[in-house]
Amino acid sequence: EAQVTQNPRYLITVTGKKLTVTCSQNMNHEYMSWYRQDPGLGLRQIYYSMNVEVTDKGDVPEGYKVSRKEKRNFPLILESPSPNQTSLYFCASRQGQDNEQFFGPGTRLTVL
Amino acid sequence: SQQGEEDPQALSIQEGENATMNCSYKTSINNLQWYRQNSGRGLVHLILIRSNEREKHSGRLRVTLDTSKKSSSLLITASRAADTASYFCATGPNTGGFKTIFGAGTRLFVKA
Repeated sequence: EAQVTQNPRYLITVTGKKLTVTCSQNMNHEYMSWYRQDPGLGLRQIYYSMNVEVTDKGDVPEGYKVSRKEKRNFPLILESPSPNQTSLYFCASRQGQDNEQFFGPGTRLTVL
Repeated sequence: SQQGEEDPQALSIQEGENATMNCSYKTSINNLQWYRQNSGRGLVHLILIRSNEREKHSGRLRVTLDTSKKSSSLLITASRAADTASYFCATGPNTGGFKTIFGAGTRLFVKA
């Protein structure tokens, strides 16, 4: 089954404790993105990647890091999480610019 | 920065009625996508319309695009209770790259 998976689905952590949210897709897509969703703001793009070792900033990259060492994986790293990073995070992948995005189920992160 | 803005923010209709949602954007685009999101879950792609297209259909969905007005509309005909969800438009800029900008969404409630 074609899908995007994220782990963990739910995470409660404390300020400053480094964490990684994993994302994996099995569709051999070149393009992957991370978004955060906050009430009233829709989805905002954090980072995106066009291929292995090629990443670029979205609209809200501050406080986040990403890496793309393999085509299928695109982890999101929060080196020192803060409460304003409490949000619902989505990973997505697509084959090309004119193709649909496939979204993961989301990761609900709470930073205390 | 948010580009897409949906209108209305919320819409409540009876089953069987049509639902129309509008999206406006600010800069030139390569394509515009519509997504559906059931409460707190991942987004599902509905339709992608390219900048050189004016109208597209998929089942009970009809999307129009007016690039001169920088606006798009999503029409759901003969709505069902299962259509209750949030609907988002997202734009891909014509400058290339893979930035995607989402609007804040329209919450649709279809009463049985």
